[in-house]
Amino acid sequence: IAGITQAPTSQILAAGRRMTLRCTQDMRHNAMYWYRQDLGLGLRLIHYSNTAGTTGKGEVPDGYSVSRANTDDFPLTLASAVPSQTSVYFCASSVKGGDVTGELFFGEGSRLTVL
Amino acid sequence: GQNIDQPTEMTATEGAIVQINCTYQTSGFNGLFWYQQHAGEAPTFLSYNVLDGLEEKGRFSSFLSRSKGYSYLLLKELQMKDSASYLCAGMDSNYQLIWGAGTKLIIKP
Repeated sequence: IAGITQAPTSQILAAGRRMTLRCTQDMRHNAMYWYRQDLGLGLRLIHYSNTAGTTGKGEVPDGYSVSRANTDDFPLTLASAVPSQTSVYFCASSVKGGDVTGELFFGEGSRLTVL
Repeated sequence: GQNIDQPTEMTATEGAIVQINCTYQTSGFNGLFWYQQHAGEAPTFLSYNVLDGLEEKGRFSSFLSRSKGYSYLLLKELQMKDSASYLCAGMDSNYQLIWGAGTKLIIKP
């Protein structure tokens, strides 16, 4: 593993189903983030974690939950998927939360379609 | 409210120079970032400006004017591989990034 790995790469899901998007990093970064990217809109922050054991809500947290049991893993769960959650989801990390250099390292994305 | 504005799409010719503009409104300011995103791929970091002026990094330069809430990304000696979307993002007082929708740059031979 090098950098950030997301799984699955792509998924089609029936509305109402539960789905977990996985994210693992091997850079020992303290902070991790989940974004969604929709056509015509900027990246929008769903949830973040500045360090293992803590999480916070971003701009669009409704319908999503996260956990950060350890430094490396930051899964995103959709408890009951709805069509408006159709999007490309990016997991990202940074050396620390509030890092003034702000450089984020992104995974390759998970394309989710909810029917 | 917080907002980032940048053009939706630009076209330029291989070998030429292009300037992609970005205006921002954030609650507090902790820097302005540019990322490059090729179609179907992850964004990658290009530059960070927190002080006024021009930062040069090879063929890419980024400029910031805090008084005007304005930045631009300058790409010189354009290559076909520079065809991508360029994302502008401002960092607010809570160290959260506010992202623009991106500028799709099309390079023609």
